[in-house]
Amino acid sequence: SQKIEQNSEALNIQEGKTATLTCNYTNYSPAYLQWYRQDPGRGPVFLLLIRENEKEKRKERLKVTFDTTLKQSLFHITASQPADSATYLCALEDDYKLSFGAGTTVTVRA
Amino acid sequence: EADIYQTPRYLVIGTGKKITLECSQTMGHDKMYWYQQDPGMELHLIHYSYGVNSTEKGDLSSESTVSRIRTEHFPLTLESARPSHTSQYLCASSGMRTGNNYGYTFGSGTRLTVV
Repeated sequence: SQKIEQNSEALNIQEGKTATLTCNYTNYSPAYLQWYRQDPGRGPVFLLLIRENEKEKRKERLKVTFDTTLKQSLFHITASQPADSATYLCALEDDYKLSFGAGTTVTVRA
Repeated sequence: EADIYQTPRYLVIGTGKKITLECSQTMGHDKMYWYQQDPGMELHLIHYSYGVNSTEKGDLSSESTVSRIRTEHFPLTLESARPSHTSQYLCASSGMRTGNNYGYTFGSGTRLTVV
């Protein structure tokens, strides 16, 4: 069966450091992988999309890598700020439908 | 800014009642989706639509039904609410891929409690 796994442990980091989140998947061959941010009680907010033929994508302080051989994506938040504290979701697209991982909660300490 | 609107934001209702959760989007997106999410858990797709008069069931079995009579409107109905339906329901939409910014737009969700 298809499965998407993200770091199960919450991530606590000091302001200014880099947070690195992992997304591993099995039994998928996604053409696209997306990352979202979700705050408590709110809907997810789209951050970045990376295609299967792209190795890396950047947007401001965010960086995503996509390794289709390892079936893994890494999500980096550089120069982290307390406002980055949230749950980050990995999502794989299949025929315009997204399947989500359970997310990794990041807390950035001032 | 929310271009997709869900109402109500919170709903507490008795067992056996019929409810409709509203979802509207102003972006002209052809694709719309309903997800169900329990606290601390992943989102599960329960319904989707690729356009007017098109509806499909998602990966998670649900007793709810949906309709898509207008592009902008995708309501979800529970004919007889049960405590097992207690959850957060999230509506989303997506349109044509443009550049690098293709993604889903989500509403703020409806938190449903059935007592």
